[in-house]
Amino acid sequence: GNSVTQMEGPVTLSEEAFLTINCTYTATGYPSLFWYVQYPGEGLQLLLKATKADDKGSNKGFEATYRKETTSFHLEKGSVQVSDSAVYFCAPGNQFYFGTGTSLTVIP
Amino acid sequence: DAGITQSPRHKVTETGTPVTLRCHQTENHRYMYWYRQDPGHGLRLIHYSYGVKDTDKGEVSDGYSVSRSKTEDFLLTLESATSSQTSVYFCAISGALDEQYFGPGTRLTVT
Repeated sequence: GNSVTQMEGPVTLSEEAFLTINCTYTATGYPSLFWYVQYPGEGLQLLLKATKADDKGSNKGFEATYRKETTSFHLEKGSVQVSDSAVYFCAPGNQFYFGTGTSLTVIP
Repeated sequence: DAGITQSPRHKVTETGTPVTLRCHQTENHRYMYWYRQDPGHGLRLIHYSYGVKDTDKGEVSDGYSVSRSKTEDFLLTLESATSSQTSVYFCAISGALDEQYFGPGTRLTVT
């Protein structure tokens, strides 16, 4: 089945630093890929998506490109803010295990 | 906003008592899911439903049952709650691309 390997956390960055959270996938075919974000005390929210190879998903300053050659879907943001502190999950479509995610803390 | 609500949002119950958690959606989606989230274990699937009265087990289904008598409602029941079922429970629905939309969660404490 489809699965992902996601960078372990926690990650701590200063405000305005560049963020990369690595995610690689193994899949049969080319499923849609997603990044989710979970803020403290809330459920997971869909952050961005890419439905096919070479697609770039983007939202709220975050970006991720569906790379078929490297089977990767790394999450990036050019300048993080304190409000980006959360746990981030990478997942292919139709996956039912989300792992522990990558915890990000941004300090002022 | 995917229109998913969960009730109750918080519950404290005693060991051995039955507990039912409710998930309600306004989107008319066919697939609905129940997960639990625990420190160090991530989100794990308990049960899911692919239609009215059509349900199946997930990874951690022991001690849980579900029912879906209407498209919009998916109930999770702990027949006899145990302390190991203390957790945060999330309901989700899936969209057209197999993305998932989650409810706000129910924090359950079994004493």
